[in-house]
Amino acid sequence: DQQVKQNSPSLSVQEGRISILNCDYTNSMFDYFLWYKKYPAEGPTFLISISSIKDKNEDGRFTVFLNKSAKHLSLHIVPSQPGDSAVYFCAATMGGAQKLVFGQGTRLTINP
Amino acid sequence: GAVVSQHPSRVICKSGTSVKIECRSLDFQATTMFWYRQFPKQSLMLMATSNEGSKATYEQGVEKDKFLINHASLTLSTLTVTSAHPEDSSFYICSARSPGAGGFSDTQYFGPGTRLTVL
Repeated sequence: DQQVKQNSPSLSVQEGRISILNCDYTNSMFDYFLWYKKYPAEGPTFLISISSIKDKNEDGRFTVFLNKSAKHLSLHIVPSQPGDSAVYFCAATMGGAQKLVFGQGTRLTINP
Repeated sequence: GAVVSQHPSRVICKSGTSVKIECRSLDFQATTMFWYRQFPKQSLMLMATSNEGSKATYEQGVEKDKFLINHASLTLSTLTVTSAHPEDSSFYICSARSPGAGGFSDTQYFGPGTRLTVL
């Protein structure tokens, strides 16, 4: 049972444009959501997170939007840069449990 | 930022042998460490939660006798894959939680992962 889903395995965006990565979840008990970035042969690095009491959180070029009614979150990167090319994972947790449930990941490629 | 290391980064072994993977928090003490497994083109799956000085908590479907976890100190957790078989071939990643940083999961720092190939 995949509780966190990233339905797009890959995304290609031109440098300077906006990248939008999507994530859906099924468990309404999740109350905290995170995005991680992962390069090949490296562990995931934390990007940005959002609590279920908010619908938007912004940090520099990265903004995460949460739509609880739709059980959907998205990560916006603008402007996209070549160094943003990586695999992006969304993850969810509940009750501060620290146990992360990950999506399958989306490979983002930024084209010059 | 906090650094977590894993050793080895890559290991190839014969079927039936045991393999030990180390996870170290280099500049902080981690009361809790997590072990994940990632199969190709799939998400990271939590295998177990390792607490210093106590037994690990395993996720449903993960064999505790096959995947032995030891969290002997606040900076080291080890995962031993016993009697490894080809289906155990995977990318194993650990993470460490920095204490006192709040109750949210953004305090988890991930290691670089270990690629295990069982022949």
